[in-house]
Amino acid sequence: GAVVSQHPSWVICKSGTSVKIECRSLDFQATTMFWYRQFPKQSLMLMATSNEGSKATYEQGVEKDKFLINHASLTLSTLTVTSAHPEDSSFYICSAKELAGRYNEQFFGPGTRLTVL
Amino acid sequence: QQQVKQSPQSLIVQKGGISIINCAYENTAFDYFPWYQQFPGKGPALLIAIRPDVSEKKEGRFTISFNKSAKQFSLHIMDSQPGDSATYFCAASITGANNLFFGTGTRLTVIP
Repeated sequence: GAVVSQHPSWVICKSGTSVKIECRSLDFQATTMFWYRQFPKQSLMLMATSNEGSKATYEQGVEKDKFLINHASLTLSTLTVTSAHPEDSSFYICSAKELAGRYNEQFFGPGTRLTVL
Repeated sequence: QQQVKQSPQSLIVQKGGISIINCAYENTAFDYFPWYQQFPGKGPALLIAIRPDVSEKKEGRFTISFNKSAKQFSLHIMDSQPGDSATYFCAASITGANNLFFGTGTRLTVIP
């Protein structure tokens, strides 16, 4: 149980284009989903927190107009990187908190490798 | 400001040995301490977690030791195997709050 999927697993795009990444909780309902960014050999950096049906809360320094987050249902959140540039190349990971879950347990997706040329 | 400090940054252990990773925190409001295992190119996977009402939790070869007074907790991997080679992250959070505060990670290499 508690499986989170991400799609795509990797994407290569040209500079200036937009890329959408999907995060789904497959076997549970998620009240809250999180988006992280991870650079090579570094820890996870929280970008934003989203609750179903409401606006995402962005961490300081994260451009909300560049990283658009939509949490349309209790099982789906999307991250759109708008007008992507090479510096946006990174490993993006989502996680989800179960609606009926205990404590603050977060279940992570497998990640999406974004490469912007 | 790093809410959770993790050490060492990297660790090399012989197969069959014990791997020990340490974490320390300052915020006494933290009440949930998970450990995550991450393989290259994959997302983190929850390995084991502890709450401060117990001093130790064991699941198979993995044990968390928790010292509330010292505000420290550690992960022990017994009989370490090459398949355990991964990056391990400790984390801490407060029940009811959303954020998980991660340590900086420890890259474990188990040599045959």
